[in-house]
Amino acid sequence: DAKTTQPNSMESNEEEPVHLPCNHSTISGTDYIHWYRQLPSQGPEYVIHGLTSNVNNRMASLAIAEDRKSSTLILHRATLRDAAVYYCILRDNFRDNQGGKLIFGQGTELSVKP
Amino acid sequence: GAVVSQHPSWVICKSGTSVKIECRSLDFQATTMFWYRQFPKQSLMLMATSNEGSKATYEQGVEKDKFLINHASLTLSTLTVTSAHPEDSSFYICSAIAREGYNQPQHFGDGTRLSIL
Repeated sequence: DAKTTQPNSMESNEEEPVHLPCNHSTISGTDYIHWYRQLPSQGPEYVIHGLTSNVNNRMASLAIAEDRKSSTLILHRATLRDAAVYYCILRDNFRDNQGGKLIFGQGTELSVKP
Repeated sequence: GAVVSQHPSWVICKSGTSVKIECRSLDFQATTMFWYRQFPKQSLMLMATSNEGSKATYEQGVEKDKFLINHASLTLSTLTVTSAHPEDSSFYICSAIAREGYNQPQHFGDGTRLSIL
């Protein structure tokens, strides 16, 4: 599985934007970039995913580099509820025949200060 | 929409007993469900992939006789930890993918905290 590299931890201030980076230099052409987050003592929650173009949804934006070797998850205004571990995961729907399993790395632990 | 429910939320039992954890997709049909395990301060580790009506596919190093998975319907998968021991104590999490979406996200349950005394 193609691997991703994320900082172990990041800090942000409440109501300020947060940019969470992810490096995936060995990404293949059919790998989608998925982001999930996990709040304490809960199961992960889907945030966003994309292939080549930047993506926006109600939770966040995903900016994908032109060469696709890195991406950035953008939280436009961090709240205390956004404190979580954020996982950047590559998922290839074509190579595996198991509906796209996710292999989690260590993720980035985001803390939000009031 | 896309709610996955896990039951029980937590369980404490004696060493040697078997424990069953249920994972249900409440408002969609799930062709595929996944089971993960998470130890404190660590990331999620995929244990197995469960497809409705067929045998589960286990990840390397996961004992299939220890962790029995049954995906009997499009809305229910169960994980049974057989003859549980203290080292099996962990946070077990399931997820599901909707039948229609090949590139759809996984929807996760809230996990089951298992403590073996």
